[in-house]
Amino acid sequence: ETGVTQSPTHLIKTRGQQVTLRCSSQSGHNTVSWYQQALGQGPQFIFQYYREEENGRGNFPPRFSGLQFPNYSSELNVNALELDDSALYLCASRGDSGRWNEQFFGPGTRLTVL
Amino acid sequence: AQSVAQPEDQVNVAEGNPLTVKCTYSVSGNPYLFWYVQYPNRGLQFLLKYITGDNLVKGSYGFEAEFNKSQTSFHLKKPSALVSDSALYFCAVRDRGAGSYQLTFGKGTKLSVIP
Repeated sequence: ETGVTQSPTHLIKTRGQQVTLRCSSQSGHNTVSWYQQALGQGPQFIFQYYREEENGRGNFPPRFSGLQFPNYSSELNVNALELDDSALYLCASRGDSGRWNEQFFGPGTRLTVL
Repeated sequence: AQSVAQPEDQVNVAEGNPLTVKCTYSVSGNPYLFWYVQYPNRGLQFLLKYITGDNLVKGSYGFEAEFNKSQTSFHLKKPSALVSDSALYFCAVRDRGAGSYQLTFGKGTKLSVIP
């Protein structure tokens, strides 16, 4: 186990709705990243937060937004859901120490948009 | 822009035989390279990474990978495959010059180890 948890495990929404996905990082991990993994594809970087501020973003529209909290939890919010948003959403956390530490991934939230 | 190619969607290998999962990459500078494994209904698990130094990197569960700068490759290998190695394998790259810790992943290779 990586020590990174995500909730819920599965979620079904309809087009146009809004969704919030949650992640709990390892204690002490100040960086959290979110990835979208569509069926049959590799994960794609959505954005990254460091100490509660976004400091990196992939090619995703503004309706994808996030929050990071001091207690090492974070959220991914998606507004105006589209059918193509159906995917596995992964969060990953990493610590500050070391030249380059690997990211630890959670088990993911499977989002289905109908 | 950085990119990763995993040319094989699926690799089949008999149990006990050596396995290779291929990966090539493209970055503007020197790369950080990673391999992750994904089991059904599970997140990604870290296997190994190349940062600098020896081109042969040893990782978890007996896996290793060879960094080849001239061929821009980072193939994953294991001398003797186990049925439990059957999973989805992802190669990932990060440009050292990038400001964020964004990883770019390949599409993945499904490894099937046949008893």
